Amino acid sequence: EVQLVESGGGLVQPGRSLRLSCAASGFTFDDSAMHWVRQAPGKGLEWVSGITRDSANRGYADSVKGRFTISRDNTKNSLFLEMNSLRTEDTALYFCTKGAWFDHWGQGTLVTVSS
Amino acid sequence: EIVMTQSPATLSVLPGERATFSCRASQSISSNLAWYQQKPGQAPRLLIYGASTRATGIPARFGGSGSGTEFTFTISSLQSEDFAVYYCHQYNRWPYSFGQGTKLEIK
Repeated sequence: EVQLVESGGGLVQPGRSLRLSCAASGFTFDDSAMHWVRQAPGKGLEWVSGITRDSANRGYADSVKGRFTISRDNTKNSLFLEMNSLRTEDTALYFCTKGAWFDHWGQGTLVTVSS
Repeated sequence: EIVMTQSPATLSVLPGERATFSCRASQSISSNLAWYQQKPGQAPRLLIYGASTRATGIPARFGGSGSGTEFTFTISSLQSEDFAVYYCHQYNRWPYSFGQGTKLEIK
C-alpha cells in the first residue's frame, strides 16, 4: 500500500523558516517524480514545487520561487521542502504527492505563518 | 504559466442526474489533464488522468474527454457520495496548475 506521511508543519513567525518532510513507502520511490501541493484555508489547490526522480530538475510556483527549495533523499525514501522567508500567505495545508498526475496523496501538514 | 479555468463555480444537481464540468487551459496541454475529487477534511483523490483514463478503482460513471485547451468531466448518474469539490490539473509542463474548483452540491 502506498503511503505518504508529511511532517514538520507548525506555527512560525513571518520571515522565519520551516522544513517539511514526507516519508514514502509502498512503491519504488526513485521511480517517481514528487511534488508539494498546498491548500490555504477554505481555498483551492496550488502546486508549489516538483522534483524529478534523479533530482536533475526542480520546478517552483512563482509565488515561492527563490524562497522554497525542494529536495529528496532516495536512500531514505524521503521528500523535503525547505521554506525560507515565510509570509502570512504561505499559511496552508501542505500535501506531498507523487507522479506526473497525482495518484496518491498524504494527509498533509499544516503550516501557519503568523506573528 | 498555464492558467486553468473551471466552470461553473458551483453546480446544483439532483441525485441520479448527470453532472457536467468544464475546464479550459490558456494554451494547449495536449491530453495532459487530470481530474480530482476532494471532500471536506480529506486529501484530493485522483479520478481521471490523460484527460479520459479512469484511475484504478474509479467507477464507470465518471468520465472525461477533450484535448488541447477544452476539457469536460462528467458524472453520469450522481450518487450521494459524489457531492464534493472537483479540480482539473494540467501536468503538461512546469509550473503545474489547477483550476479553481467546481463545487457539486445537491439541488
